[in-house]
Amino acid sequence: SQQGEEDPQALSIQEGENATMNCSYKTSINNLQWYRQNSGRGLVHLILIRSNEREKHSGRLRVTLDTSKKSSSLLITASRAADTASYFCATPSSGNTPLVFGKGTRLSVIA
Amino acid sequence: NAGVMQNPRHLVRRRGQEARLRCSPMKGHSHVYWYRQLPEEGLKFMVYLQKENIIDESGMPKERFSAEFPKEGPSILRIQQVVRGDSAAYFCASSPGQALSYNEQFFGPGTRLTVL
Repeated sequence: SQQGEEDPQALSIQEGENATMNCSYKTSINNLQWYRQNSGRGLVHLILIRSNEREKHSGRLRVTLDTSKKSSSLLITASRAADTASYFCATPSSGNTPLVFGKGTRLSVIA
Repeated sequence: NAGVMQNPRHLVRRRGQEARLRCSPMKGHSHVYWYRQLPEEGLKFMVYLQKENIIDESGMPKERFSAEFPKEGPSILRIQQVVRGDSAAYFCASSPGQALSYNEQFFGPGTRLTVL
């Protein structure tokens, strides 16, 4: 069953704008991870947020986690054309187990 | 420190042939995961292995698919008698082990399998 579901499915913005992507999940987690995938490439790990954390920053990335709503958001500030990619949230199905991915948000940043 | 390596990057097979996909985890990583990605989809878990052991194969099709991670050498995902529906990108990921409880996984570049 689908654990993470990203929203929106696709997002198109101008360079310099902020991009926000959301992820909802169904079951309890001990962490949630965001990955980026450039077209035709492998996945790059962006950030991991633990269930006892509410917000985490890494460069231009800001991730929030609301365990009461079972949701997370990824904010990319001051977007660049190079940020164009698909973004996935992923959660361990339980403990130290394989990740369950959503279908992703396809972000297009227009120069 | 090389990342996760997969080969081949692209593989073309005719229906009925066998496909072998290889994955070398990052140095020091003893856990390997295989995922499959169909076009416009997210990754779907297939199998989770440690050295010489299959830990979780709940995502593997019951027939034609097998995986191994021998004591020496890369992990192998083997697909026998391929069909067109097997065409997909297959990604391998590795992690250091359960000593770290937060399971960050490092992904390889993937193998794109095309079945003619």
